[in-house]
Amino acid sequence: QSVLTQPPSASGTPGQRVTVSCSGSSSTIDAVTWYQQLPGTAPNLLMYSNNQRPSGVPDRFSGSKSGTSASLAISGLQSEDEADYYCAAWDDSLYGWVFGGGTKLTVL
Amino acid sequence: EVQLVQSGAEVKKPGESLKISCKASGYSFTNNWIGWVRQMPGKGLEWMGIINPADSTTRYGPSFQGHVSISADKSVNTAYLQWSSLKASDNAIYYCARHVRNISSRWIDPWGQGTLVTVSS
Repeated sequence: QSVLTQPPSASGTPGQRVTVSCSGSSSTIDAVTWYQQLPGTAPNLLMYSNNQRPSGVPDRFSGSKSGTSASLAISGLQSEDEADYYCAAWDDSLYGWVFGGGTKLTVL
Repeated sequence: EVQLVQSGAEVKKPGESLKISCKASGYSFTNNWIGWVRQMPGKGLEWMGIINPADSTTRYGPSFQGHVSISADKSVNTAYLQWSSLKASDNAIYYCARHVRNISSRWIDPWGQGTLVTVSS
């Protein structure tokens, strides 16, 4: 079973660019997705297929993947971006999703 | 609009049984697998299992096999998560979510609003 590792926290000031990393343990990790969970709400799809934004997601958010590591970048940081961010990947051997531990983003 | 609407919060005692629901609308229910995700208080997301509503094929995460049961009723576009005997450690928010797949990728969208399960004597 794959494991995805994220830093527990990240922070930035308004207007800054911040990145959240997601490191995978398996070379067979499929495309990475990212979810944003605002305080007290359900997770919401933020990025799929490594770098594809669903409609409605601002282009301030971008994703990338290289080898078994992925990153989510947020440019022009805003106070409303303060949330928990989770990466996830499908694991064929598990026939299920593997989630990273989540990164709590604080806007200072 | 594609929506998953979950049943309301539950308060139960240890040893009691429970079945929570997730009603889908806005798409053909049998076209997409539905998964369940647990979020314990202050913790991250954990994959519990997934069901194909078309034929009720089900797969469970290793930590949940034998502890919960996932089912679906395509006549009412609803998926279910069930416990036969709750424990205090089942205190959590449970989310259902639609599994989307195309030729090259998969993702989860949308998520239900979550059902808070409180187990306390």
